[in-house]
Amino acid sequence: GDSVTQMEGPVTLSEEAFLTINCTYTATGYPSLFWYVQYPGEGLQLLLKATKADDKGSNKGFEATYRKETTSFHLEKGSVQVSDSAVYFCALRVSSNTGKLIFGQGTTLQVKP
Amino acid sequence: DGGITQSPKYLFRKEGQNVTLSCEQNLNHDAMYWYRQDPGQGLRLIYYSQIVNDFQKGDIAEGYSVSREKKESFPLTVTSAQKNPTAFYLCASSIQQGAPEAFFGQGTRLTVV
Repeated sequence: GDSVTQMEGPVTLSEEAFLTINCTYTATGYPSLFWYVQYPGEGLQLLLKATKADDKGSNKGFEATYRKETTSFHLEKGSVQVSDSAVYFCALRVSSNTGKLIFGQGTTLQVKP
Repeated sequence: DGGITQSPKYLFRKEGQNVTLSCEQNLNHDAMYWYRQDPGQGLRLIYYSQIVNDFQKGDIAEGYSVSREKKESFPLTVTSAQKNPTAFYLCASSIQQGAPEAFFGQGTRLTVV
């Protein structure tokens, strides 16, 4: 079945460090891919998305490229800030699957000053 | 402002009691979803609805029930049959066409005491 696998956390970085959070997926058909961010005690917010192969989603300095050949959608940021500390979820949506999102287990990022 | 409102934010329930979580959206979205979040497990789909008066079971529907009598409302009832109901519950909505992202509420944390 369709699934998403993220790298395990927590990931601890110093401010201004480079961030990569790995995400790979298994899906039938052609999924759309998403990154969501969750701050403590809150719901999820969409960070970025990509709907077809080679698309790059970007927002707030974060980027991810839809790589069909490696079935990956890794999240990157060149210089993290303390305010980026949160849980990050990779997700996919297969249009034939009635629209439900399938999530990875989440990766906690902690950025230290 | 448009969005999704979940209430209450915190809920305590005694064992053996049913409890209903509220979810209201004013985004005019057709589709609505309920997810359960447990530490380290990502989000799991409980129920979803693509249209008024219709809903489908997700991956972990046992012990839960829903209704969709109005487009803007999708309440979730956690019944006494749910063996481990303590969790963070998230409601989401989306449009139906294309490859849209889902918009999430702020969540309800349910604790069984």
